[in-house]
Amino acid sequence: SQTIHQWPATLVQPVGSPLSLECTVEGTSNPNLYWYRQAAGRGLQLLFYSVGIGQISSEVPQNLSASRPQDRQFILSSKKLLLSDSGFYLCAWSVGNPLRLTGNQPQHFGDGTRLSIL
Amino acid sequence: EDKVVQSPLSLVVHEGDTVTLNCSYEVTNFRSLLWYKQEKKAPTFLFMLTSSGIEKKSGRLSSILDKKELFSILNITATQTGDSAIYLCAVVFTGNQFYFGTGTSLTVIP
Repeated sequence: SQTIHQWPATLVQPVGSPLSLECTVEGTSNPNLYWYRQAAGRGLQLLFYSVGIGQISSEVPQNLSASRPQDRQFILSSKKLLLSDSGFYLCAWSVGNPLRLTGNQPQHFGDGTRLSIL
Repeated sequence: EDKVVQSPLSLVVHEGDTVTLNCSYEVTNFRSLLWYKQEKKAPTFLFMLTSSGIEKKSGRLSSILDKKELFSILNITATQTGDSAIYLCAVVFTGNQFYFGTGTSLTVIP
């Protein structure tokens, strides 16, 4: 069965420090991968998605970047964190098929990282 | 601009009540609509809807999609305290991009 791991669970960082959040998926190949941010009391905002190694689409211009160095690894990074980067970050995967984007597969989420910027 | 709107934003009911949560959308190239339940951490998948008028049902939860009027509802009957959560609606369009509404926060009190 497929599993998704996301770490760390909680992170407290000072303003201006770098960030690296990691997400890995097991039990599937060529997944679509996603990074979301959820502010308190708000819905999920799509930040990045990837349909393959090295292929990153950014949905929102911001202080963050994403990379996919391996098929089942998705990394969210920042060189210098801002106070506004605080939030709950969720990684998700769905069955991928870049040649036939049917959109008929649900996403499955990791447990999230709660990021606080001080 | 494509968007997904959920209502109400929050809801407080007593155990045993029935609730209806709404999700409306304005998107091009609609592919599917999904409902998720989020308690403390990861949202968990409830339903995926792609066709109008076909009800999906799981226990006390059910959902239906109206592609003509561009909305979906999620019904929960005989609510229990364990139903307390944020319910998220997501719409998939132009491929595998998921766009989420702001969610409805449901609190069920004994």
